[in-house]
Amino acid sequence: DIVMTQSPDSLAVSLGERATINCKSSQSVLYNSNSKNYLAWYQQKPGQPPKVLIYWASTRESGVPDRFSGSGSGTDFTLTISSLQAEDVAVYYCQQYYTSTRTFGQGTKVEIK
Amino acid sequence: QVQLQQWGAGLLKPSETLSLTCAVYGGSFSGYYWSWIRQPPGKRLEWIGEINPSGSTIYNPSLKSRVTISVDTSENQLSLQLNSVTAADTAVYYCAGEPGYCIGGHCYGGWFGPWGQGALVTVSS
Repeated sequence: DIVMTQSPDSLAVSLGERATINCKSSQSVLYNSNSKNYLAWYQQKPGQPPKVLIYWASTRESGVPDRFSGSGSGTDFTLTISSLQAEDVAVYYCQQYYTSTRTFGQGTKVEIK
Repeated sequence: QVQLQQWGAGLLKPSETLSLTCAVYGGSFSGYYWSWIRQPPGKRLEWIGEINPSGSTIYNPSLKSRVTISVDTSENQLSLQLNSVTAADTAVYYCAGEPGYCIGGHCYGGWFGPWGQGALVTVSS
């Protein structure tokens, strides 16, 4: 299985400041034939199911605010919240779908400083 | 907008069978791939398995011997059965839909779009 490792495990950011979450895969999730990275990002608030934010590493899901952006390629990816809002307090997960056995990162908890 | 509602027994004894159902409302049932995903307390999300629009299934190798995923297209429902449960199967279980994607004439599930509300299943003697 592809192992997804996120860093940091948690971070505290002031309102309006940038939050950056990293995700590293144990093998490349870039499919060379279509140049797509098979990676998604999710947001999970307490007591709720996860919600997809980003897929193909950088494509925002419809309705997701543009302060959320995804970048990276191959094995190293980043989710950036450009200006943290109070409603962004949550746990964020990356997930690969390069293999049929989908795997998730361990999660990064984002809090307000 | 697709909405998922799930239900099933919340407390099981070791060796019993976990059984959950997920009903899909407000969208094209046959247009999605469907998966079950679980989240043990304090641990990461774990994908359990998927059923595609043709009814074919793929399972996580770690659970394959104990899992069955099925659909009832007449009711727009999908189901999960997990046999011979142990305490390690204690988790919140989610159903989720995958919009899917196609490449080179083949189509696959991928990321998870609509999710059910989750159901806590506890295995304890």
